Amino acid sequence: AQSVTQLDSQVPVFEEAPVELRCNYSSSVSVYLFWYVQYPNQGLQLLLKYLSGSTLVKGINGFEAEFNKSQTSFHLRKPSVHISDTAEYFCAVSGTSYGKLTFGQGTILTVHP
Amino acid sequence: ETGVTQTPRHLVMGMTNKKSLKCEQHLGHNAMYWYKQSAKKPLELMFVYSLEERVENNSVPSRFSPECPNSSHLFLHLHTLQPEDSALYLCASSQDGQGDQPQHFGDGTRLSIL
Repeated sequence: AQSVTQLDSQVPVFEEAPVELRCNYSSSVSVYLFWYVQYPNQGLQLLLKYLSGSTLVKGINGFEAEFNKSQTSFHLRKPSVHISDTAEYFCAVSGTSYGKLTFGQGTILTVHP
Repeated sequence: ETGVTQTPRHLVMGMTNKKSLKCEQHLGHNAMYWYKQSAKKPLELMFVYSLEERVENNSVPSRFSPECPNSSHLFLHLHTLQPEDSALYLCASSQDGQGDQPQHFGDGTRLSIL
């Protein structure tokens, strides 16, 4: 069985500040890890993914995430946020069975001017 | 037109109505998914189709009936729904349903049950 915990339901930050959105996962098998973003009235858009190899992965819009196997974490970071980054962010894990995704509860990032 | 398209975007129906949600993908993918997104709950996988064959039914009530006539189209037929079925229903697709392949999502259908 797989599970994902996003440790913060809401994260308010000021524009140009750094941000970290936290994600922990559990799984009995090797997993693939994803971060998706959802803007209002839209579906989910892939930000980045970790499949194997380098533990630091870079995604779109200046986001990056670090896979930490010992801590079973996959935290998302951005060094300087913009107003346009305001959205809900979802961490997800996928096993090998038909690519089924297990999502966390989501973190609402609000960037204030 | 590219990506994953869902229609309608919004749907209001009574508990005794029958309606269908439609999803179409223009990515040449072979796997398609239905998810339910309710307020304050994680996204829930409902159904998975691979090469037009249903490979996963995640304990979904029978009032939801999926149909995949070909690899580009996916439907969700609805009948006798309950108020708790009000949610955003998202369709997604991936190349072959492998775990390392990202899923591409449509913008969803916002369903309200009166």
